[in-house]
Amino acid sequence: EPEVTQTPSHQVTQMGQEVILRCVPISNHLYFYWYRQILGQKVEFLVSFYNNEISEKSEIFDDQFSVERPDGSNFTLKIRSTKLEDSAMYFCASRQRAAGFLGKETQYFGPGTRLLVL
Amino acid sequence: SQQGEEDPQALSIQEGENATMNCSYKTSINNLQWYRQNSGRGLVHLILIRSNEREKHSGRLRVTLDTSKKSSSLLITASRAADTASYFCATDANGNQFYFGTGTSLTVIP
Repeated sequence: EPEVTQTPSHQVTQMGQEVILRCVPISNHLYFYWYRQILGQKVEFLVSFYNNEISEKSEIFDDQFSVERPDGSNFTLKIRSTKLEDSAMYFCASRQRAAGFLGKETQYFGPGTRLLVL
Repeated sequence: SQQGEEDPQALSIQEGENATMNCSYKTSINNLQWYRQNSGRGLVHLILIRSNEREKHSGRLRVTLDTSKKSSSLLITASRAADTASYFCATDANGNQFYFGTGTSLTVIP
C-alpha cells in the first residue's frame, strides 16, 4: 500500500542552523501538509500546499519557515534559523483530493521527523 | 478555533472490554477523522466519517457523529493490548487543514 515517507527520521541541529525536512507524498496525491507535535502536546497544523503554492498557513508558520515542491515527488519544509522551541516531531501528510470526493479525502501521514534543536 | 477536544484524557481498561472516546468540536465540518498514535510514532488513519453520516463501522471500530451537538465518539470493541495508544480526532472544515484534538491516551491491560 502506498505511504508517505519522511527523511530523516531524526535530526539534531544547533540553534540558528538551517534544517530541511523531506517528505515524499503518495504519488497521485495533490494536496500536501506539514504539521508539528511538540512532545506531549497536540498535533498542530503548519501549512497546506496545492498546485505549487501555499493554500493556508497557521500563525506558527512564520518567515522562518518555507515549503517547496522542487520536483514531482518531494515536498520539503525548511526552517531557516532554528530555535530551541522548534524542537518537535514534524509530520508530513498528503491527500488525493479535497473534501467532498468520496474515498479520496483521507489525509495520510508520514512517520515523522523528530527534530531536536540544541 | 474549531479544535477538537477529546475526553477522557486518559482511559485504562482490561483486555476484552470496550473503550469509548469522545470528541467535541466548535464549527461546521466536512468530515471528521480518527487517528491512532503509538508513543513517539506517526499517525495512523483509522476511520473517516462525513458530515452527512451518523455512524460508521470498520472492524472493531464504531464511530458516530452528531453534527447538532458537534461531537463524535469512537468505540473500540473487545479491546486488545495492542490497542494501547493515543487516539485523536481531527476535523476538516475547508479541506486545507485539520484541527487535532488533545487526544485520549488508552491503556489496555492484558
